[in-house]
Amino acid sequence: GESVGLHLPTLSVQEGDNSIINCAYSNSASDYFIWYKQESGKGPQFIIDIRSNMDKRQGQRVTVLLNKTVKHLSLQIAATQPGDSAVYFCAETEMDSSYKLIFGSGTRLLVRP
Amino acid sequence: DSGVTQTPKHLITATGQRVTLRCSPRSGDLSVYWYQQSLDQGLQFLIQYYNGEERAKGNILERFSAQQFPDLHSELNLSSLELGDSALYFCASSASSYEQYFGPGTRLTVT
Repeated sequence: GESVGLHLPTLSVQEGDNSIINCAYSNSASDYFIWYKQESGKGPQFIIDIRSNMDKRQGQRVTVLLNKTVKHLSLQIAATQPGDSAVYFCAETEMDSSYKLIFGSGTRLLVRP
Repeated sequence: DSGVTQTPKHLITATGQRVTLRCSPRSGDLSVYWYQQSLDQGLQFLIQYYNGEERAKGNILERFSAQQFPDLHSELNLSSLELGDSALYFCASSASSYEQYFGPGTRLTVT
């Protein structure tokens, strides 16, 4: 089972390089922004989140940057590994909307060995 | 493994039929969300239940309905199926916040 075979933009990187995946969001009122990773045949997996009052958050090998001025979100993956190959989605949500997730269109990351 | 289970994994049915997709949330999670992932629409929110009650609705068709039972498992019912309903259907659960854990999905094929 693939992740539906969407016609997604693809980012191809060399193993060991850093990856940057970008996302534009639409709702100025969103409280939280989340990055999900979807591997082939699996459901989306939570990677990292950031609250709207922050502009940067770091995790293990990942960093999320938020620019509210231009409604832009990015996910940086350091030292990209073959296991990072997947489709990456950004999502936004509002506390007042019961936290339903509004997903972006996704980016396919391919890691070349 | 997210702890969220969905059955069946695959479902093939004909147009006009009705199917039921089942979801068991993570232990202790009161919220269940349903999402549809289709080729042309990406991941879209359908409906949310919290502790047995409907909490939010997205772009869910009138032919679709859901419920959450006292044991917190949820079912998504899809009726009068059309070819365009072919998609992956994901269930996600959450304790009380935006952090949702997704199941492996049910792949529905309508022929």
